[in-house]
Amino acid sequence: GDSVTQMEGPVTLSEEAFLTINCTYTATGYPSLFWYVQYPGEGLQLLLKATKADDKGSNKGFEATYRKETTSFHLEKGSVQVSDSAVYFCALSASGGSYIPTFGRGTSLIVHP
Amino acid sequence: ETGVTQSPTHLIKTRGQQVTLRCSSQSGHNTVSWYQQALGQGPQFIFQYYREEENGRGNFPPRFSGLQFPNYSSELNVNALELDDSALYLCASSLVGSGSYNEQFFGPGTRLTVL
Repeated sequence: GDSVTQMEGPVTLSEEAFLTINCTYTATGYPSLFWYVQYPGEGLQLLLKATKADDKGSNKGFEATYRKETTSFHLEKGSVQVSDSAVYFCALSASGGSYIPTFGRGTSLIVHP
Repeated sequence: ETGVTQSPTHLIKTRGQQVTLRCSSQSGHNTVSWYQQALGQGPQFIFQYYREEENGRGNFPPRFSGLQFPNYSSELNVNALELDDSALYLCASSLVGSGSYNEQFFGPGTRLTVL
């Protein structure tokens, strides 16, 4: 079945450092790919998405490119802030049918001043 | 525009009891999905309701059941609680039919502890 694998956390960075959180997936067909963010005590928020190969999703300085050849969707940000501290989830939804995402286990990001 | 709300925020039950969790969808949304998020894990899909009918179900036993009401609010019921049911339960609403991609908007969750 479909699955998502994320790098284990926590990822600990200093403010203004470069961020990469790796995500790879297994799915049949051409899934849509997503990154969600969960701040402490809150529900998940959609951060960015990409619906086809080579698409780049971007939002709030975060970017991820849909790489079909490597089945990856790595999250990057050039300069992280303390306010980016949260748990980040990579997810996919299968092509066609209702939108029911399959989530990875999440990667905790801690940014120090 | 009111977002997705859930109640209660926290809940403590004992093994064998029954629990009902509630969700109020975002205004205008016609679909609600429920997820279980165990500590340190990603959300696992329980089921989805569209226009008051179950529209998909994940790998959860029948003691997990749900309802969607005409105003698109929703309930998740869990019978015969087990210790492993302790988790954060998330509700998400969406508007199906608005296009090929139906973004889900999540509530803050209900933290259930089973003792």
